[in-house]
Amino acid sequence: SQTIHQWPATLVQPVGSPLSLECTVEGTSNPNLYWYRQAAGRGLQLLFYSVGIGQISSEVPQNLSASRPQDRQFILSSKKLLLSDSGFYLCAWKTQGVHEQYFGPGTRLTVT
Amino acid sequence: LAKTTQPISMDSYEGQEVNITCSHNNIATNDYITWYQQFPSQGPRFIIQGYKTKVTNEVASLFIPADRKSSTLSLPRVSLSDTAVYYCLVGDLPGNEKLTFGTGTRLTIIP
Repeated sequence: SQTIHQWPATLVQPVGSPLSLECTVEGTSNPNLYWYRQAAGRGLQLLFYSVGIGQISSEVPQNLSASRPQDRQFILSSKKLLLSDSGFYLCAWKTQGVHEQYFGPGTRLTVT
Repeated sequence: LAKTTQPISMDSYEGQEVNITCSHNNIATNDYITWYQQFPSQGPRFIIQGYKTKVTNEVASLFIPADRKSSTLSLPRVSLSDTAVYYCLVGDLPGNEKLTFGTGTRLTIIP
């Protein structure tokens, strides 16, 4: 069966510090991978998605970046965090051509 | 991408049937309708998907009228554990690998 992992689960970082969140998927190959952010009490905002290794589509211009160094690994990064980067970060995967997405447990980031 | 409109929030009592309607006036011919459920501090979970008429699974039913400009998620005999945010998404299967979640409907079940 397929599983998706995210870490860390929670993170408190000062403004201006770097960020690296990792997501890995097991039990499937060539998945589509997604990064979402959810501010408190708000809906999900799609940040990046990838349909293959090295292929990254950015949805929202900001100080975040994403990389996909391996087929089932998706990394979200920032060189300098802003207060507005606080939120609940969710990684998801799905099979191409199918709508159903599977979400990871999420990382709650607080920028202080 | 077809834009969707849902009520921001709804309340219901335990044991009742709950219907959440989503409007998608500019839905395209190839678009499917998908609903997700999200509990606090968790990622969304797929509930049901349909193209037209009615779809039913062990969790919910999805009603889609002939013009497909709206859809209704029906939850039978809700319990407190159905308190969650429900999202309606519209998109075509083969070409649209980007799924956009709106703000969803916050459903609160009252004991």
